[in-house]
Amino acid sequence: QVPLVESGGGVVQPGRSLRLSCAASGFIFTNYGLHWVRQAPGKGLEWVAVISHDGSRTYYADSVKGRFTISRDNSKDTLFLEMNSLRIADTAVYYCVKDLDCGSTSCNSPYWGQGTRVTVSS
Amino acid sequence: DIVMTQSPDSLAVSLGERATINCKSSQSVLYSSVNKNYLTWYQQKPGQPPKLLIYWASVRDSGVPERFSGSGSGTDFTLTISNLQAEDVAVYYCQQHFTTLRTFGQGTKVEIK
Repeated sequence: QVPLVESGGGVVQPGRSLRLSCAASGFIFTNYGLHWVRQAPGKGLEWVAVISHDGSRTYYADSVKGRFTISRDNSKDTLFLEMNSLRIADTAVYYCVKDLDCGSTSCNSPYWGQGTRVTVSS
Repeated sequence: DIVMTQSPDSLAVSLGERATINCKSSQSVLYSSVNKNYLTWYQQKPGQPPKLLIYWASVRDSGVPERFSGSGSGTDFTLTISNLQAEDVAVYYCQQHFTTLRTFGQGTKVEIK
């Protein structure tokens, strides 16, 4: 069972909107904050946004602030990324990530989805 | 935001030799109350999501070969791959999780010479 499965990617024109989803399984969804991380073609990893376990706190990279909204539905174990006013520079694979889970002496591995590809092109 | 800078951007190492990657943070990622550096190292191969190698700057994740080691504290960190194997060809990233706004280094590509 794959813990995180992203969907919703596709080809979209500049200025338009897209909503990504990430379905979670195999862990207690409501216990963890979750992130979106993206990777433009041939480029490095860029952290995009994070949401707290209960959805009360959200933080964004400057590059997406005001255009992207991260949210979650804890009743459906699903994470979302609403992307508005899309730019060509937003073209990337978008990964859903459950962070390291650390105790006092060790951490459990993070979970990364396989990613969903977003292409912004006219 | 904490800026993470890796060096070099790429390196070519002979099989069986050592590869050394450096990562510098713009501010300390040492959580002094627990004496842990909130610095991780990832390995990414083409077409795959990143895989965690090291957390707390020096602790290998479960199943990671002993030839991978991490060191450093505060703002300066190193990932060392001893006895480089063909399967280690990949891009390596450092990431800080000291702040909520996680940031990555730009990546270092490791190839076989």
